[in-house]
Amino acid sequence: QKEVEQDPGPLSVPEGAIVSLNCTYSNSAFQYFMWYRQYSRKGPELLMYTYSSGNKEDGRFTAQVDKSSKYISLFIRDSQPSDSATYLCAALPASGGSYIPTFGRGTSLIVHP
Amino acid sequence: SQTIHQWPATLVQPVGSPLSLECTVEGTSNPNLYWYRQAAGRGLQLLFYSVGIGQISSEVPQNLSASRPQDRQFILSSKKLLLSDSGFYLCAWSGGTGNQPQHFGDGTRLSIL
Repeated sequence: QKEVEQDPGPLSVPEGAIVSLNCTYSNSAFQYFMWYRQYSRKGPELLMYTYSSGNKEDGRFTAQVDKSSKYISLFIRDSQPSDSATYLCAALPASGGSYIPTFGRGTSLIVHP
Repeated sequence: SQTIHQWPATLVQPVGSPLSLECTVEGTSNPNLYWYRQAAGRGLQLLFYSVGIGQISSEVPQNLSASRPQDRQFILSSKKLLLSDSGFYLCAWSGGTGNQPQHFGDGTRLSIL
């Protein structure tokens, strides 16, 4: 079992919909969580970086972490066709000096006009 | 602000030829540097990482090697490319302390003929 699991999709939604992207993880040591957006033939772009449980909002994006259920989510409000991309979640432990995040395999999102 | 440059964007090489991919980071000092390979539907595979000049850790045994001749320069090399080396190669950096998110370059798409 991978330490970070993501449904590969594709997830197809109409423009304007609220999108929910999710990951589960198994390592209780994970304390830092990231969401990346990757357009085709481009590198992943950091969208959100959060610590421990709770919510973090940035514009149309909200990252949510529920450590009790080991579940992380990214919500996109008022989705646009330009949001069509692959979204990767990632996690890091808090201690041990680890520099290497564990990535999910990504969820493909398609927002159609 | 920090920027990461990776080149070339696309490369077509014959089997058995050498390889050199270069990555440089600007706007920060003593970054951690990483090379990943991303195969379609397979997620990110960490190849090498470096926490300082001349310090290289290899995650996957293969015919690739990495070097860090300068603080903000990371090079991925091969003496003889194999067909299986085809893929999308990504360079990334993170802050020198642990638990920092990674920031990626735009990648090199390598095709071996």
